[in-house]
Amino acid sequence: DSGVTQTPKHLITATGQRVTLRCSPRSGDLSVYWYQQSLDQGLQFLIHYYNGEERAKGNILERFSAQQFPDLHSELNLSSLELGDSALYFCASSPRPTASGANVLTFGAGSRLTVL
Amino acid sequence: AQSVTQLGSHVSVSEGALVLLRCNYSSSVPPYLFWYVQYPNQGLQLLLKYTSAATLVKGINGFEAEFKKSETSFHLTKPSAHMSDAAEYFCAVSDLYNQGGKLIFGQGTELSVKP
Repeated sequence: DSGVTQTPKHLITATGQRVTLRCSPRSGDLSVYWYQQSLDQGLQFLIHYYNGEERAKGNILERFSAQQFPDLHSELNLSSLELGDSALYFCASSPRPTASGANVLTFGAGSRLTVL
Repeated sequence: AQSVTQLGSHVSVSEGALVLLRCNYSSSVPPYLFWYVQYPNQGLQLLLKYTSAATLVKGINGFEAEFKKSETSFHLTKPSAHMSDAAEYFCAVSDLYNQGGKLIFGQGTELSVKP
């Protein structure tokens, strides 16, 4: 158990629907990162939050949004779902961003989304 | 921009044989490099990291990696493969141009171990 908790583990939904993925970081970690893993795109960075504030955005679609709450858990909202959104979505946490870059991310087990 | 390239999407070795997974990086500044492993139906687990303290880095499960600036490489090795090493391995570089320290991953190398 990495200490990063993601729910749900599996989710099956239809095109056009909206889902919310939840992530609880390791105790004491202030940063949450979201990644999407698919066969054709590999591991793609979506977005990073630190202590409730957005710090960096990657290749995140406008249909996707995220937030980090005061208790530091984070949610990734995916709307108007398309077949191509089927993927494994990972959350990772770290203590804080460091200017040195030696930032170790601890990953959750992922949420597998299937869009039919 | 920083990036990593993993050479070979699939590597197959026999049990007991040397494991060599290749990773080359691109960075205009000294990079921070990582290897993660992903077992089936699990998340990514840190194997080791390079943060400029030593060029030869030892990680968990008998893996090690050597940072070679002249070759811009950070290859992962293990002297003797075990069946339990079968997994997907990802090389990553820390994005130093953005505050936050997100990791940029390679495409991954799937390691198969034959009995």
